Amino acid sequence: AQSVTQLGSHVSVSEGALVLLRCNYSSSVPPYLFWYVQYPNQGLQLLLKYTTGATLVKGINGFEAEFKKSETSFHLTKPSAHMSDAAEYFCAVSLAKLFSGGYNKLIFGAGTRLAVHP
Amino acid sequence: EPEVTQTPSHQVTQMGQEVILRCVPISNHLYFYWYRQILGQKVEFLVSFYNNEISEKSEIFDDQFSVERPDGSNFTLKIRSTKLEDSAMYFCASRVRTSGEQETQYFGPGTRLLVL
Repeated sequence: AQSVTQLGSHVSVSEGALVLLRCNYSSSVPPYLFWYVQYPNQGLQLLLKYTTGATLVKGINGFEAEFKKSETSFHLTKPSAHMSDAAEYFCAVSLAKLFSGGYNKLIFGAGTRLAVHP
Repeated sequence: EPEVTQTPSHQVTQMGQEVILRCVPISNHLYFYWYRQILGQKVEFLVSFYNNEISEKSEIFDDQFSVERPDGSNFTLKIRSTKLEDSAMYFCASRVRTSGEQETQYFGPGTRLLVL
């Protein structure tokens, strides 16, 4: 069974500081990995995803994440936080059912709320 | 940019009442999903829908839940007899299907359901 663990339900950083949001997954086969962001009163927006190929993936708003199979991790980073990055961030995993149409439900972590202070 | 829309944004209902949550997926998408998020908890998968039938459902999606695509644009989630524990944010998502690589699920803004 697949699962996702996000370490730290709340992370607080100073504007301009490094952002590091941690995600570890459990999966019996290589998963597809996603980071979504949720701004207040809005839906879930895809930040970035890893499916195959290069393990360092870049997303929107300067975020990137690295898939590390040996550590079963997919941590999200941004070199310099901006006030507008304050939001809730969700890591998610899916397992493509390649032989049954690829319905690809997402399994989410509990989320990390990022606060950015001046 | 195309987006998934959901109505209503908020719904308050009495326990035991039926509710229908509506979603308009992105027009060329073929896979549709419902997720829910109880306050303070994880986003949880409810059901996926493809080719006019349920393709997968979670243990949460019991006989009180049903989904339908009544026309070419809407995708609905019905809860027949709401319970207090159905109070949650319900998200609709859709995905285009292409052969090969996983495609992104695009989420709507959610419907916040409160059962009293």
